[in-house]
Amino acid sequence: AQTVTQSQPEMSVQEAETVTLSCTYDTSENNYYLFWYKQPPSRQMILVIRQEAYKQQNATENRFSVNFQKAAKSFSLKISDSQLGDTAMYFCAFMAPPSGTYKYIFGTGTRLKVLA
Amino acid sequence: DAGVTQSPTHLIKTRGQQVTLRCSPKSGHDTVSWYQQALGQGPQFIFQYYEEEERQRGNFPDRFSGHQFPNYSSELNVNALLLGDSALYLCASSLATGTGRIYGYTFGSGTRLTVV
Repeated sequence: AQTVTQSQPEMSVQEAETVTLSCTYDTSENNYYLFWYKQPPSRQMILVIRQEAYKQQNATENRFSVNFQKAAKSFSLKISDSQLGDTAMYFCAFMAPPSGTYKYIFGTGTRLKVLA
Repeated sequence: DAGVTQSPTHLIKTRGQQVTLRCSPKSGHDTVSWYQQALGQGPQFIFQYYEEEERQRGNFPDRFSGHQFPNYSSELNVNALLLGDSALYLCASSLATGTGRIYGYTFGSGTRLTVV
């Protein structure tokens, strides 16, 4: 079975500082996709960044970047220059289309609070 | 361009009752997925509808059923409600072809169901 684990229930960071959120996963698939989603108080899940497992280069989106370690099955999210608007729940998610399933498997989330 | 619309926003039901939740997908999307997010947990996949048929199903009992209409909108029905069904129910729409099945998900803001 495929699983996603986020071991940090809560984190806080000072505004303008850098923070890293951890995620590990377990799968026997070789071709899969990883995602970080943000869920603010509005409850809507918003895609932050995505990574294809077949790509060695780590994905980057403005202040957000990932450290994808395929052998270690690790997928961490780094937020640089943290802003108050980054305060939210962050979920790591996994999808393995080759197994025929176009569904997300989510972790339990990390609550991030950015302090002024 | 309208995003995903879910109704109602909140509702309270009594144990044993039945409930129907509704979802209108983003314009241009033809696939609807439903997720259950219990308090303090990540979303869990319930099922996915495409071409008015259930295409994939997660590990949920038969009390959970759904429907997709010709205009791609969808309903989630839950019978014989249990206290444990209290959760945020999220709808996500996507396009069934190409990379839309992987990258193109748009989530709604969810329906908060409380069973008393």
